[in-house]
Amino acid sequence: QKEVEQDPGPLSVPEGAIVSLNCTYSNSAFQYFMWYRQYSRKGPELLMYTYSSGNKEDGRFTAQVDKSSKYISLFIRDSQPSDSATYLCAMSSNNAGNMLTFGGGTRLMVKP
Amino acid sequence: GAVVSQHPSWVICKSGTSVKIECRSLDFQATTMFWYRQFPKQSLMLMATSNEGSKATYEQGVEKDKFLINHASLTLSTLTVTSAHPEDSSFYICSADGPSGVSYEQYFGPGTRLTVT
Repeated sequence: QKEVEQDPGPLSVPEGAIVSLNCTYSNSAFQYFMWYRQYSRKGPELLMYTYSSGNKEDGRFTAQVDKSSKYISLFIRDSQPSDSATYLCAMSSNNAGNMLTFGGGTRLMVKP
Repeated sequence: GAVVSQHPSWVICKSGTSVKIECRSLDFQATTMFWYRQFPKQSLMLMATSNEGSKATYEQGVEKDKFLINHASLTLSTLTVTSAHPEDSSFYICSADGPSGVSYEQYFGPGTRLTVT
């Protein structure tokens, strides 16, 4: 079993839909949770990060962490074709960069 | 700010040759840089952690003699794939720690696609 599981998709939605992306994990030591967006043939870019449990909102994006269920989510409201990309979750048990564990990524396609 | 570049973005080489990939932090100094490998439709796998002025730390299963990493300055790290073989074909991505050094403040380069024929 992988430490971080993420449905690879592809997830296809119409423009304007609410998108829910999820990751589950097995390591209860994870405390830092990140979401990255990766366009085709590009490096990942950080979208959001959260520490421990709770919600965090930034514009159309909301990150949610449920440590009791070992489950994190990224919600995208009013999805746009420009949101079409692969979304990677990443987790860390401390602040050291070399402890990042990535999910496999979910490919999202937003159709106009 | 916080831009990381990689060069080349795409390279094709013949089996048995060596290829060098450069990773540069353009507008900040990076004490630590990371090298990842990504296969199609798969996640990023950390290969090694590179600290300026010291030897790189390699993840288990990564051959340090095959993947040579040199972090010569606070803005440059290089990955050399020696005696490349077709199975080394992959997307190589570097990242750099931001000034605060926290895990979420990693800035990724655009990646280098290596194809070994």
